[in-house]
Amino acid sequence: GAVVSQHPSWVICKSGTSVKIECRSLDFQATTMFWYRQFPKQSLMLMATSNEGSKATYEQGVEKDKFLINHASLTLSTLTVTSAHPEDSSFYICSARDSTGAAYEQYFGPGTRLTVT
Amino acid sequence: EDKVVQSPLSLVVHEGDTVTLNCSYEVTNFRSLLWYKQEKKAPTFLFMLTSSGIEKKSGRLSSILDKKELFSILNITATQTGDSAIYLCALGAAGNKLTFGGGTRVLVKP
Repeated sequence: GAVVSQHPSWVICKSGTSVKIECRSLDFQATTMFWYRQFPKQSLMLMATSNEGSKATYEQGVEKDKFLINHASLTLSTLTVTSAHPEDSSFYICSARDSTGAAYEQYFGPGTRLTVT
Repeated sequence: EDKVVQSPLSLVVHEGDTVTLNCSYEVTNFRSLLWYKQEKKAPTFLFMLTSSGIEKKSGRLSSILDKKELFSILNITATQTGDSAIYLCALGAAGNKLTFGGGTRVLVKP
């Protein structure tokens, strides 16, 4: 149980285009999902908290107009990187908290590697 | 602002060795400290330590929390090559947010 999937697992796009990444909780409901990015050999940095049915909460320094987050259902959150630039190339990981589980138990997706050329 | 510092940055051991990973933290309002193992992709949950649960053990892995000195230790005994990974320590905060440390990269050689 407690499986989180991400799609796509990797994507290459051209500078200036937009890319959508999906995060799904497969066997549980997640009122809260989190989006992280991870640069090579660095740790996970929280970008935003995605709450079902409401606006996402962004961490300081993260541009909300560039990283659009939508959490339309209890099992799906999407992150859209708009007008992508090479510096947006990174590993994006989502996590989901089981609404019925322990408060701090989060399940991570396998990540999406974005390369912007 | 919550802060998590892990040490060492990396280490190399041989199978059978014992590994001790350190995590020190600064926090305004402590709620929990979590350990994750990250191999190639998603981090997988290992332990959660709280004020009411300062010691955890699962097989060859164990962890303790020292709330007075503000640190946690993750121990791995009788290491195997499958233990090679990045080990992440994180503080759990309000709103279920996690603040991660930089991680410790462990390589276990046969």
